[in-house]
Amino acid sequence: GDSVTQTEGLVTLTKGLPVMLNCTYQTTYSPFLFWYVQHLNEAPKLLLKSSTDNKRTEHQGFYATLHKSSSSFHLQKSSVQLSDSALYFCALRRDTNAYKVIFGKGTHLHVLP
Amino acid sequence: EAAVTQSPRNKVAVTGGKVTLSCNQTNNHNNMYWYRQDTGHGLRLIHYSYGAGSTEKGDIPDGYKASRPSQENFSLILELATPSQTSVYFCASGEGDWGNYAEQFFGPGTRLTVL
Repeated sequence: GDSVTQTEGLVTLTKGLPVMLNCTYQTTYSPFLFWYVQHLNEAPKLLLKSSTDNKRTEHQGFYATLHKSSSSFHLQKSSVQLSDSALYFCALRRDTNAYKVIFGKGTHLHVLP
Repeated sequence: EAAVTQSPRNKVAVTGGKVTLSCNQTNNHNNMYWYRQDTGHGLRLIHYSYGAGSTEKGDIPDGYKASRPSQENFSLILELATPSQTSVYFCASGEGDWGNYAEQFFGPGTRLTVL
């Protein structure tokens, strides 16, 4: 069945450094990928989305490129800020059911001053 | 912007009691969802709905029922609450057709503790 894997549970970085949060997926259908961000005690919000192979998508300084050849959709930022500390979920629209999305377990990003 | 509200925001229940979590959306979205969030598990889908009168089982429906009496409202019902259902519950709404990526808009969450 469809699945999403986020390998890091916690990433700790100093402000100003680059970051990459890993996301790989498995599906037999054409994938739609998402990144959601959840700040402490808040609701998850959509950060990025893509279904186009090898096209970079950007929002709020974050970017990701869907690579169907490697089934990956890694989230990157060139210089993290303290306000980027949050929980990040990668998600996949699953199967042919457009109504359901499967979420990865999430990666906590902790940015140090 | 999309607006999803949940009530109550915090709830303490006793084992064996009935709990109802309510969700309201003003986005006029057809689809609504209930998730629970637990450390190490991410967001797991409990029930979802395509529209008023419909409910569908998600990935972890056991011990939960859902009700969608109108376009705007979607409830999650725990008939006999157990401590294992202690969690944070999120409601979400969204459109689900092929054209708009099934983006979901989440409510603020309900923290449920079952003693």
